[in-house]
Formats: sequence, C-alpha cells, structure tokens
Amino acid sequence: NAGVTQTPKFQVLKTGQSMTLQCAQDMNHNSMYWYRQDPGMGLRLIYYSASEGTTDKGEVPNGYNVSRLNKREFSLRLESAAPSQTSVYFCASRRGQGAIEKLFFGSGTQLSVL
Amino acid sequence: GIQVEQSPPDLILQEGANSTLRCNFSDSVNNLQWFHQNPWGQLINLFYIPSGTKQNGRLSATTVATERYSLLYISSSQTTDSGVYFCAVGLDTGRRALTFGSGTRLQVQP
Repeated sequence: NAGVTQTPKFQVLKTGQSMTLQCAQDMNHNSMYWYRQDPGMGLRLIYYSASEGTTDKGEVPNGYNVSRLNKREFSLRLESAAPSQTSVYFCASRRGQGAIEKLFFGSGTQLSVL
Repeated sequence: GIQVEQSPPDLILQEGANSTLRCNFSDSVNNLQWFHQNPWGQLINLFYIPSGTKQNGRLSATTVATERYSLLYISSSQTTDSGVYFCAVGLDTGRRALTFGSGTRLQVQP
C-alpha cells in the first residue's frame, strides 16, 4: 500500500542548477498533479495530467516542465532553479472518473534554492 | 477562478474542547474535500463531501453547496489533532484540479 511516492524528500540546489522531482502512484489513477506549498499558504497547482498522454498548466507553471511518463509516473523538472522556487512540492493523484474523487498526496519534497 | 476562504486562520484549544472550522467558496462546485496536514507535513484526506453531512469518529463535516460553504467539526479535541486543516474545492470537468484555501492552523494544548 505505497500510494503516492515522491523522491527525493529533501534537495538543496544552487541558482541555475536543474533537477527532476519524481512521483509514482500504484493506485491505477488516471489523474496526477503537482502542487507547491509556500510558508503559511495553501497549495497552488503547478501542472496536472488528466490522463496518460496529456499535461496542462495550472496556476503557477512558469519555470517548470512536466512529463507523464506512463500511467504511474509524473515527473516535475526545474530547468534553471531560482530562489523563488524554494518551496515544498507535493505530488497527488486521483482516479479521474466515477463518483468519488478523493485526492491522495505524496509525502512532499522540501526544495531549497540558494 | 474559484476563491476559497477559510476561517479562523488560527485556533488554539485546550484538549477536550470542540471546534468548528469554516470554508466559504465563491462559485458552484461539485467536489469538496477536507485535508489535515500534520506537523510532519503529511496531507491526509479527511472527507470527500461535495454536499450533505458525513462523520468519521470525532470529526464530522457538512457542506451546503447551494450556500457555498462547508463546516468541519472537531469534537473532544486531542493533541494529535494539531496541524493545519485545508479545504479544497473544484469542478469535476476539464482540469479536474482542486483549489485550496489557505488553511486553519489548529493547536491543541494538553
């Protein structure tokens, strides 16, 4: 019962470095999401994938790219990290069809950009 | 987009007290969920409640969709209830993504 698994849990980058955050779910969910959480704030949507093969921008997509590698995996890439991207990143998934659409979260990645 | 407001922003309780958290939203929704973020940062789904009332142990939630609000009730609070409670709303069409409120930070003191 792994649910949604994110790696890494912590990361420190220098400005301008690149990295990819990995996310995988084992619940056979269609829809996957990346959110960021800044101190004292709620979660803001970066990108989402309604189903395998599709991705779309959320509220705060600038500076990020995503790849829906297959139905299980959805990665988030920072091409050139900036201090404004210091945040906690959460991956989430849900079934994407049917009557009950509960959202399940991974444990988060704490990212610091110096 | 949809606006979500939660109140109060902060709440301090003594163990055993009851509390009510409120979520107001600006537009029609057919998906509403309550989450608890524990002190370690983990987000746990408490309720999927686009309308009506549900109960789970000491927690219950009510959503009145026509009046665009939801309430989360915590009875006989325990220190383990501490953390941040988020309301998230959305429409299950198109993007199918939820918009989050900024949360209610709850501290339960022994």
